[in-house]
Amino acid sequence: AQKITQTQPGMFVQEKEAVTLDCTYDTSDPSYGLFWYKQPSSGEMIFLIYQGSYDQQNATEGRYSLNFQKARKSANLVISASQLGDSAMYFCAMRVHEDSNYQLIWGAGTKLIIKP
Amino acid sequence: DVKVTQSSRYLVKRTGEKVFLECVQDMDHENMFWYRQDPGLGLRLIYFSYDVKMKEKGDIPEGYSVSREKKERFSLILESASTNQTSMYLCASTPTGRYNSPLHFGNGTRLTVT
Repeated sequence: AQKITQTQPGMFVQEKEAVTLDCTYDTSDPSYGLFWYKQPSSGEMIFLIYQGSYDQQNATEGRYSLNFQKARKSANLVISASQLGDSAMYFCAMRVHEDSNYQLIWGAGTKLIIKP
Repeated sequence: DVKVTQSSRYLVKRTGEKVFLECVQDMDHENMFWYRQDPGLGLRLIYFSYDVKMKEKGDIPEGYSVSREKKERFSLILESASTNQTSMYLCASTPTGRYNSPLHFGNGTRLTVT
């Protein structure tokens, strides 16, 4: 069965520290992609970063990077030098390419709170 | 930039009313989705559509229907609203043929059914 697991319901982190949000996935399809989204309290879903299963390098986007460990089926989001504005819910999601409907399978999310 | 617009940010309806949630995207995306989001339950897929007039049930379609008469517009219909449909509703779209394309979301509609 295809599944995304985020084991950290909530996290408190001191401002300016690095943060790692965990995401493990399960699929038997060799071709898939992993997405991370941020959802502030205002409610909009903001796409952060993408990692394809065949990508040779870990994805990076500004302060966001993805620690992709394919053998372990994990795709952890790393936020460097956290800021107060990083406080939000974070969701990991997966698209399996054999699924022709382009939908995403979602994790339950992690609530990140940055402390000043 | 892709823009997905949901017609209402907040909506309050009475039990038994018929409710329409509208979603419009401006990037000619083939695929559109309706999710509901409840605390602790994450995002759950209600319906999706991969083309005009085409629709597929998601994980929780009961009590909902959808309409896609034009490519840019995907409507979610609550035929007879109930209190357990009080939730945050999110619409999203994505193009066909690009597996690395994210879902682009609207700002969401917080629906309260009293």
